[in-house]
Amino acid sequence: EVQLVESGGGLIQPGGSLRLSCAASGFSVSSNYMSWVRQAPGKGLEWVSVIYSGGSTYYADSVKGRFTISRDNSKNTLYLQMNSLRGEDTAVYYCARDFYDFWSGTWAYWGQGTLVTVSS
Amino acid sequence: QSALTQPPSASGSPGQSVTISCTGTSGDVGGYNYVSWYQQHPGKAPKLMIYEVTKRPSGVPDRFSGSKSGSTASLTVSGLQAEDEADYYCSSYADSNSVVFGAGTKLTVL
Repeated sequence: EVQLVESGGGLIQPGGSLRLSCAASGFSVSSNYMSWVRQAPGKGLEWVSVIYSGGSTYYADSVKGRFTISRDNSKNTLYLQMNSLRGEDTAVYYCARDFYDFWSGTWAYWGQGTLVTVSS
Repeated sequence: QSALTQPPSASGSPGQSVTISCTGTSGDVGGYNYVSWYQQHPGKAPKLMIYEVTKRPSGVPDRFSGSKSGSTASLTVSGLQAEDEADYYCSSYADSNSVVFGAGTKLTVL
């Protein structure tokens, strides 16, 4: 059974850093296209970043240069390093696995989400 | 990476049909067939309802259907049921290896 479990969220001051984790089971993170998608309170969904099975990474303009997506194949875990955090980064962050074995931005598997609150 | 345009709300009575539109550009909806629709109930993760414009994942009722014309995609829910009341989001693969979402439509079953 495919499972994704996020952790690492919490309250952080503006300008601070936080690292989110997404532990996967039932499949290999390294063989799939893995993304982070976020949702600000009461707002819609926003794609944040993707890491290809080959290791290439892409980011939304809103986080480019501040966030870094990575994975640890030995731990079968996806990460999102978030630096220079701003109030507008406050959101529930979901990790998700692409439906296909290529990058399509279609997600059938989602974690339960972890809340990041950026506030002083 | 501009958001796709969805109506903020839609409604229908049980048994009726409702259609939600999702308008983009040639750089997303109009240029690719990787258009998806997600259902989200309060406090829950999104659930994939339609992918590749018209396809339904296993377990999704055939009351849900998708279509696309030009740069506008649509989700139709037929035979509305109380449990269909939720937020619905469209998304599309887009230029520059990105994905864009719509702002969401709140579907109310009257």
